[in-house]
Amino acid sequence: QVQLKESGPGLVQPSQTLSLTCTVSGFSLTSNSVHWVRQPPGKGLEWVGAIWSGGSTDYNSALKSRLSISRDTSKSQVFLKMNSLQTEDTAIYFCTRTPYWGQGVMVTVSS
Amino acid sequence: DIQMTQTPSSMPASLGERVTISCRASQGISNYLNWYQQKPDGTIKPLIYYTSNLQSGVPSRFSGSGSGTDYSLTISSLEPEDFAMYYCQQYDSSPLTFGSGTKLEIK
Repeated sequence: QVQLKESGPGLVQPSQTLSLTCTVSGFSLTSNSVHWVRQPPGKGLEWVGAIWSGGSTDYNSALKSRLSISRDTSKSQVFLKMNSLQTEDTAIYFCTRTPYWGQGVMVTVSS
Repeated sequence: DIQMTQTPSSMPASLGERVTISCRASQGISNYLNWYQQKPDGTIKPLIYYTSNLQSGVPSRFSGSGSGTDYSLTISSLEPEDFAMYYCQQYDSSPLTFGSGTKLEIK
């Protein structure tokens, strides 16, 4: 069955870089797009970006300058890197392949 | 970007009650509309995909309908485990966009 699982550090210092991994199973990354979505505490869902089946990427325009999404199809993994983190980036980060979602990983930006 | 207007933002309701949550897109989305349930632990569970298709394992009291710009999720008879947050999501075009959520609360 389709599964996604996020992993990464729970705490990141301000101005540092966040690196998250989404490990998928039950489907091929070369046939499906994977999106990253985040949810700040107590708030709604915000699309972060996507990597399409062909390998091209698409980013939230507000985050584009700080964001990179890539993948390793041999390992069935998708990666998110976001630099210059600020406290406003504190959120649960999810990866999703519509309509399936990972469990999410809480990322706190704090010194 | 396609804007998704979800109503109501909160809904007090009773066990056994029938409830409907609505989502309106700022432009037609060709039925590319999903509904999700989010519990307090953060877990997001797909309920309905492509407007009206019930995700495997989801109780039949959940149903979805709609077309064009207007979509809805109906729960026919509320069970205790249904009190949660609900979100709609369009995937007709990038970026994915979401409704602002409906908190279903016990009356």
